[in-house]
Formats: sequence, structure tokens, C-alpha cells
Amino acid sequence: QQQVKQSPQSLIVQKGGISIINCAYENTAFDYFPWYQQFPGKGPALLIAIRPDVSEKKEGRFTISFNKSAKQFSLHIMDSQPGDSATYFCAASSTPGNTGKLIFGQGTTLQVKP
Amino acid sequence: GAVVSQHPSRVICKSGTSVKIECRSLDFQATTMFWYRQFPKQSLMLMATSNEGSKATYEQGVEKDKFLINHASLTLSTLTVTSAHPEDSSFYICSAPDQGRKFTDTQYFGPGTRLTVL
Repeated sequence: QQQVKQSPQSLIVQKGGISIINCAYENTAFDYFPWYQQFPGKGPALLIAIRPDVSEKKEGRFTISFNKSAKQFSLHIMDSQPGDSATYFCAASSTPGNTGKLIFGQGTTLQVKP
Repeated sequence: GAVVSQHPSRVICKSGTSVKIECRSLDFQATTMFWYRQFPKQSLMLMATSNEGSKATYEQGVEKDKFLINHASLTLSTLTVTSAHPEDSSFYICSAPDQGRKFTDTQYFGPGTRLTVL
């Protein structure tokens, strides 16, 4: 019940296209859903995050869509660029406040072809 | 923005030795820090929660006597891998929430430490 399932495992997109990564969860107590970007040999960097009180959040080319009833959320990368090639992780947290443990999805390796 | 540093960035040691990894929050205080382990092409697995002024909380299956955690101050947590063996070779990453920010769920990750045990 603590798992976060992420798909696809890998994704190849042409430059300018839309990259879509999906995550699903079971624990209805989760109340914070961030997406992280990780380059090889580096730590994850926060991209964008959402809470269940909104269905969509957009920051630049990155959009999170959230479906509370389906317990699913997704990351959309518009106008994908070769520099977006990285591994993306969704995550979820259920502990209120600032001590929440993050449960990570399995990760998606994105390759954007020029 | 909030910055978390780790030292060293990579370390190679012989089997049986102990290795200490430091995690520092550079511009904010963190009463809680988290330690993760990541194997190649895999996700991050939470190892333990480091608590300033009290004992760390370990996840199920993580040997607390092997992975010693000390949260010495509000900006420093250390992870010591004792009697390291080749199977301990991994990428170790720490994170910390910036409790001074309004949106306090945000966790900031360090750059990671690559441990190779020969």
C-alpha cells in the first residue's frame, strides 16, 4: 500500500514532442506528490509538486495532472528538449508537515532525440 | 534556494574499513534529514531518518549497526558505513526539508556520494 508505481520504465521522444510519465498510488493518506529529475551521478532535483486539492499545476514546460479518484498523477513535459534527457521519479508523502518520508516510483529514463 | 551538500562526492575503500559520509544543509536548519541508497538504474530506497538530538529511525531491513547515523547539529548529519563490503557499494544520497519555508514538504537533495568497496 506504500508503493508508488511508475510507468513507462523508459521513453523516447522527438525534440519538440510531449513526454508523459504516469504514476499510481494506493495509499489515500498521501497528500504531497513531487516529481524529481535526476542526471547521471547527481542527486535528484525537485521539478514540480502538487497537493490533492488541485487537479493540475503548471510551471513552464512542466505540468502535473492529478486524478484523486483514480489515485493517479502524471508529468507532462511540453516541447521536450535534448537537455530534458534524464531519469524522472515521481514520489509521494503522507506525513503532515515537514518530516514526511518520500516514497519513490521506479523511475523513467527519458531520451529526447534531436 | 536551499542547498544540501555531501562530502565526499566519491570514495573508494578496502573491504572491512569504515567510511563516513557527511550531509550538510548550507543555508537552512534541518532537524530531520533522510538517507537514501540508490543502485545503478534503480530508484531511491529510504534507509533511515536522521533526527537532531535523538536516535535515527531505520527502515525495515536496514542494519542500524552497520549504517550508523549521527545528527550532530541542525545542519549536519553523518552516515558511517561500518566494516564495508563490496555489496555496500552504492550511491548514497541525503535530503532535508527546509523547515523555514512556508511549503515545508519540499525536500532538497544532496549531490550524492559514490561508495566503491574493493
